Amino acid sequence: EPEVTQTPSHQVTQMGQEVILRCVPISNHLYFYWYRQILGQKVEFLVSFYNNEISEKSEIFDDQFSVERPDGSNFTLKIRSTKLEDSAMYFCATTWGAGETQYFGPGTRLLVL
Amino acid sequence: GENVEQHPSTLSVQEGDSAVIKCTYSDSASNYFPWYKQELGKGPQLIIDIRSNVGEKKDQRIAVTLNKTAKHFSLHITETQPEDSAVYFCAAQAPGTYKYIFGTGTRLKVLA
Repeated sequence: EPEVTQTPSHQVTQMGQEVILRCVPISNHLYFYWYRQILGQKVEFLVSFYNNEISEKSEIFDDQFSVERPDGSNFTLKIRSTKLEDSAMYFCATTWGAGETQYFGPGTRLLVL
Repeated sequence: GENVEQHPSTLSVQEGDSAVIKCTYSDSASNYFPWYKQELGKGPQLIIDIRSNVGEKKDQRIAVTLNKTAKHFSLHITETQPEDSAVYFCAAQAPGTYKYIFGTGTRLKVLA
């Protein structure tokens, strides 16, 4: 069964550094999402992306965050200057159609020191 | 905006017993409600979902019920097994968008 994959599985970085989290969607999926889950808290929506544009973003998704699909397959989340409070599990989710069920990847655990 | 509440936060049941997890949502226009199971170190996996045009959906030992009037939906797992132990999240698709609003999660422990 096709799966969403994410790399790296874990990343440790120093505060102020840039990180790029990568996601490979299921092959025929066109809509992409990033969510995050701070330890012990809810899964929170960050951003949705379709047709090379951001469709929607949350208040969390400020100027230090960006997303792109650099090569037509990978979908990336960049955090320009990480803060301690960015430490969380980041999940990519994808779906083939708007409003259809979202399938989640295994996540990247980001630790900012 | 949409808000989802989930109860209980933890639930322990004996193997073979049933487990019920309940969620309420705030926006009556929400029309899609997925349930996800998250095992340790893994991402959320869809286990069942329901749309607002039906009141109940069943898939083997798992069922979901939806009460639109009361704005709540529940996950029912019958004949629980140790491998059902995980964290379960309910979610609602926010009206007018495609994002999901998640509940706080229920840690289910099935005791052998």
